[in-house]
Amino acid sequence: KQEVTQIPAALSVPEGENLVLNCSFTDSAIYNLQWFRQDPGKGLTSLLLIQSSQREQTSGRLNASLDKSSGRSTLYIAASQPGDSATYLCAVRPTSGTYKYIFGTGTRLKVLA
Amino acid sequence: SQTIHQWPATLVQPVGSPLSLECTVEGTSNPNLYWYRQAAGRGLQLLFYSVGIGQISSEVPQNLSASRPQDRQFILSSKKLLLSDSGFYLCAWSVQADRLYFGPGTRLTVL
Repeated sequence: KQEVTQIPAALSVPEGENLVLNCSFTDSAIYNLQWFRQDPGKGLTSLLLIQSSQREQTSGRLNASLDKSSGRSTLYIAASQPGDSATYLCAVRPTSGTYKYIFGTGTRLKVLA
Repeated sequence: SQTIHQWPATLVQPVGSPLSLECTVEGTSNPNLYWYRQAAGRGLQLLFYSVGIGQISSEVPQNLSASRPQDRQFILSSKKLLLSDSGFYLCAWSVQADRLYFGPGTRLTVL
């Protein structure tokens, strides 16, 4: 059974710091991995999608990497800003023949001004 | 461009009352549709998903049900709400195995 873990559960950093969020999954048989952002009381916003054949994806100050064989992904945020404060979730799409996405429990990020 | 709508945005219901939450998607055809629930302090729980009209897969046995009467419409229902049904309900869609897009969510409080 696929399980997705995100550590740490919460993180506080000063503005301007570069930071890394971690996502681990137990089964390497995945189609893709997606990173989301969730602001309090809001839906999830898709940030980056990495296909299983890719190693990384970049969007602005965000860079996500994927090491499928070790079951790990990282989301790198450069020059963090207070507006980056949110909960970040990762999700994997298994190759098990269904259309389900398995989510981690998220990392709650607070960037201090 | 694609858009996903959910309503209502918030809902307060007494225990034992019925429930109907609606989700519609615009700008795409034959999407996969999903209902997730996010309880306070917990992760996202997949409740139902659908790959086509009338095709519903249930992930968690409970007093909730889902229906897909039209290609881009997904409805979450209950005949009698429980206190444990309180949470943030999110509808989502995807095409094939690609990116997953979420709606704004419905905050349900059962008293």
